[in-house]
Amino acid sequence: DVKVTQSSRYLVKRTGEKVFLECVQDMDHENMFWYRQDPGLGLRLIYFSYDVKMKEKGDIPEGYSVSREKKERFSLILESASTNQTSMYLCASSLGGQDTGELFFGEGSRLTVL
Amino acid sequence: GQNIDQPTEMTATEGAIVQINCTYQTSGFNGLFWYQQHAGEAPTFLSYNVLDGLEEKGRFSSFLSRSKGYSYLLLKELQMKDSASYLCATMDSNYQLIWGAGTKLIIKP
Repeated sequence: DVKVTQSSRYLVKRTGEKVFLECVQDMDHENMFWYRQDPGLGLRLIYFSYDVKMKEKGDIPEGYSVSREKKERFSLILESASTNQTSMYLCASSLGGQDTGELFFGEGSRLTVL
Repeated sequence: GQNIDQPTEMTATEGAIVQINCTYQTSGFNGLFWYQQHAGEAPTFLSYNVLDGLEEKGRFSSFLSRSKGYSYLLLKELQMKDSASYLCATMDSNYQLIWGAGTKLIIKP
């Protein structure tokens, strides 16, 4: 089974802090994604990557950056956390190619920014 | 613009049948997905439709009508464990997923 692991299930940070959210997948997937999930809204794509060292902006990249130095790892960085970044963050991966196909999600990281 | 609509919440009885509807307007269409998400857990893939018609997979079926921009997920013989949110998503012409807000399904004994 594909396993997507997110480093932290729950985080509490203060405004202005730098936040790292780590995601690792173990099935050699090409594609990796970061979404945020907020009540009453659909999943919103922050960034995605189709290959190592490659990244593309999603629908809401402002205030975030990403890093993909290794194929299995995709990190989301909040350079200076703000209260409006309080959310559930979901990492996902899929097999490869431009067709995103079936996504495999991690359990999520619930971030609270005070 | 791009838009996915699905009901916010539905309630059904254990053992019954429920249909969760999803309507969409997207720029281009490369298929429609349904995912299940239990509270506090990761979404998991249920189905993918790209052609019109009904796809059956055990107790779950998914239907697509591309001309109407409409899909539904049909759950039969409901079990308590089916209590979850059901997410509808379409893939647009750029192969990007557009997500609905999800339908929270509550199953009562």
